[in-house]
Parts: sequence; C-alpha cells; structure tokens
Amino acid sequence: KAGVTQTPRYLIKTRGQQVTLSCSPISGHRSVSWYQQTPGQGLQFLFEYFSETQRNKGNFPGRFSGRQFSNSRSEMNVSTLELGDSALYLCASKTSGGYTGELFFGEGSRLTVL
Amino acid sequence: KNEVEQSPQNLTAQEGEFITINCSYSVGISALHWLQQHPGGGIVSLFMLSSGKKKHGRLIATINIQEKHSSLHITASHPRDSAVYICAVRSGMDSNYQLIWGAGTKLIIKP
Repeated sequence: KAGVTQTPRYLIKTRGQQVTLSCSPISGHRSVSWYQQTPGQGLQFLFEYFSETQRNKGNFPGRFSGRQFSNSRSEMNVSTLELGDSALYLCASKTSGGYTGELFFGEGSRLTVL
Repeated sequence: KNEVEQSPQNLTAQEGEFITINCSYSVGISALHWLQQHPGGGIVSLFMLSSGKKKHGRLIATINIQEKHSSLHITASHPRDSAVYICAVRSGMDSNYQLIWGAGTKLIIKP
C-alpha cells in the first residue's frame, strides 16, 4: 500500500509569491491534515479536511488555505509569502475525520522563502 | 508554560542502553501520540494510546491519565534509533479538537 505522498519535496520562492503544495493520502483514507514545522515554533496544526470539507482549523492567517478533492487528495496554498513562512509542511492522512484514528505522515515539502 | 512538555530535550546514549523519554501535559486529552522524525523530515507514527501500555518490537509506550504523563521506552537501543521523538496530544472532541505538539526529544545513540 503506497504511503502519503507530498509534492514537491523542495521549493524556493520569493516574498510576495504564492505556493501550492499537494498531498495524496493513503488509499482509502478520507482525512488529510496539514502541519507547519519551523525550528522556532515546532509543529503546528494548520487544518484538517474530511470528505472535501474543512473540519478543523489552527491559528494561522487567511493567507493559508486548503482544499480537498473528491479523490481525497488535498492541496494547501499560501499567498503573499513572507520570510517566516519558510518551513517544512507536513500532511497526514487517516481513515476517519475528527479526533480519532492513527495519523500517517508524508515526507513533507520544504519551502524556502527568499 | 507549554501545554505539552517533553524531557529531556536532548539525549545521547551508548548502543544497548535502555532509553526513556517523558511527556507531561496539562490539558484533558482523548489520545496521545508518539512519533519519530528522522533528519530527512518524514514523521512516522509510533503509537497512539489513550490508556495503559503498548509495545511494538523494542518500543514501549505507557500513559498515566491521572498523572497526565506518558513515557516512551526503547530497549536495547541501536544507532538507527537516532531521531527526534515527538509527543502530541489530542485535546477536545469532534470538530473542536486540537493537536498539541511537544517540542521533541533529540536522541543520539552512539555505537
């Protein structure tokens, strides 16, 4: 069974640009959640999608958005990039939405903003 | 004070030693995760538990709900166990749940 796939693995952008990251969950998993990891803040929850609906949202500005498609693949978008958005962005999938279920993580997308 | 505290922050040990990493939390939880992150960045879920004890190979995780404390043990440690170990707790129910992360414990096992 293929794991969680994130693309691209590495990317470099400049301030003011936007970026879209993709996450393909494990087959059969309908929940995808996104996390930001920075050296200073550690891991922080961005949002969770289940059956194409955002179920839960962390404390991030509106520049961070996401969506989920009918095949459960998810994308997150960051607009008007800032230097502080440089981070490792991880997604995780699980079978069910909400607070239950084991999480399976992808390898992450490492974003550098110059 | 952080809602999830891990100790120690850094741990260096010799191959074969018994390792203990601790996680204390101050919120009510529905579940606690132990995860492993290797230098490349990918995270692997080791355990999800809400009570008692779980064992997988050389890894053992325990949780004491009354004391709001969990421990991750590694028996017969090996250099390939070198990684960052992260504790995360699920607080809240349904759509209002939060996943609160500890800062991680960096473990180095020397041959």
